[in-house]
Amino acid sequence: GAVVSQHPSWVICKSGTSVKIECRSLDFQATTMFWYRQFPKQSLMLMATSNEGSKATYEQGVEKDKFLINHASLTLSTLTVTSAHPEDSSFYICSASLRDTITDTQYFGPGTRLTVL
Amino acid sequence: AQSVTQPDIHITVSEGASLELRCNYSYGATPYLFWYVQSPGQGLQLLLKYFSGDTLVQGIKGFEAEFKRSQSSFNLRKPSVHWSDAAEYFCAVGTNAGNMLTFGGGTRLMVKP
Repeated sequence: GAVVSQHPSWVICKSGTSVKIECRSLDFQATTMFWYRQFPKQSLMLMATSNEGSKATYEQGVEKDKFLINHASLTLSTLTVTSAHPEDSSFYICSASLRDTITDTQYFGPGTRLTVL
Repeated sequence: AQSVTQPDIHITVSEGASLELRCNYSYGATPYLFWYVQSPGQGLQLLLKYFSGDTLVQGIKGFEAEFKRSQSSFNLRKPSVHWSDAAEYFCAVGTNAGNMLTFGGGTRLMVKP
């Protein structure tokens, strides 16, 4: 149980184009989903928190107009990187929060490798 | 603000040897603590978590962790390492009933044959 998928697993795009990444919780409903960015050999950096039916909450320094997040349902959140540039190349990981007993646990997707040429 | 420190960036152990990965946290309230493992190019898999009760927590793949409040630590252990355990390990502290995670810098485990 608690499986999270991401699509695509990797994408290569030209500079200036937009890329959409999907995050789905396959066997549970997630009120809250999270988007992280991970640079090579580094830890995860939280970009934003996404709640179903409301606007995402972005971390300081993350451009909300560049990284558009939509959480349209309890099982789907999308991250759109608009007007992508080479510096946006990174590994993007989503997670979905599942509440069990008295605590929430984040379950992570497999990640999406974005390369901007 | 909460923080997590994983003092060891790299650790190399021989297959079959025991393993301990260190994690120290700083958080003013009751911590929710997690260990995740990440294989190259993959997402994170939950190994185990702690939020109350028995301070020795059992997880998947033969891992366990012990919460020591006096030392602000949550070290991960395994009695006998397998080559497939080679990966990056992340300790995290959760706030807001565990919903918001702060990660440590990670420890890369290498396993010698």
